[in-house]
Amino acid sequence: EIVMTQSPATLSVSPGERATLSCRASQNINNYLAWYQLKPGQAPRLLIYGASTRATDIPARFSGSGSGTEFTLTINSVQSEDLAVYYCQQYEGWPPTYTFGLGTKLEIK
Amino acid sequence: QITLKESGPTLVEPTQTLTLTCTFSGFSLTHSGVGVAWIRQPPGKALEWLALIYWDDDRRFSPSLKSRLTITKDTSKNQVVLTMTDMDPVDTATYFCARIKMAAEYFHQWGQGTLVTISP
Repeated sequence: EIVMTQSPATLSVSPGERATLSCRASQNINNYLAWYQLKPGQAPRLLIYGASTRATDIPARFSGSGSGTEFTLTINSVQSEDLAVYYCQQYEGWPPTYTFGLGTKLEIK
Repeated sequence: QITLKESGPTLVEPTQTLTLTCTFSGFSLTHSGVGVAWIRQPPGKALEWLALIYWDDDRRFSPSLKSRLTITKDTSKNQVVLTMTDMDPVDTATYFCARIKMAAEYFHQWGQGTLVTISP
């Protein structure tokens, strides 16, 4: 099974600053990586797929990068509404096995 | 606009069977490539994919839970039903359904989730 490791577990950022979230795969997943935003009581939201493609209606301050085993979600100019837990998910292989990381909680200072 | 909504019991006794329904709108499970998946999140823990069903009745299951899961679809009602047998307190979680597409195997849209507690 492909294991996804996210770091840090918690990230505290001031409004307007940049947040950098990391996700590492235990083996090569090419660019088969997605990022999601989870807020309490709300439906999870797809942010990024294919490691770097923003999903529909996702603000440009969210960007994804990486390939292989190392991936990054960057949130430029963090806003208070970005308070959430962010998860990466791999979907490599056929059939895919759909494993998630443990998440990074983004706190706003 | 695509929406999904999970429904089912909030409390289930250990050893019982859980039945959850995902009712969706804005897409059809008769369309080629479209699927619906179930994912859960125990309190304070990570997301875990459980099962999915595609428009052509292709079904896939988490290897660790495969023996306990059944997934079916009712295209006339725009619903997908997940059953999980032999429930245990460790199965306490928020259960989500989500839309997925073949060859784009991530979860495009999600429901808000439903919390299911397993307790005597």
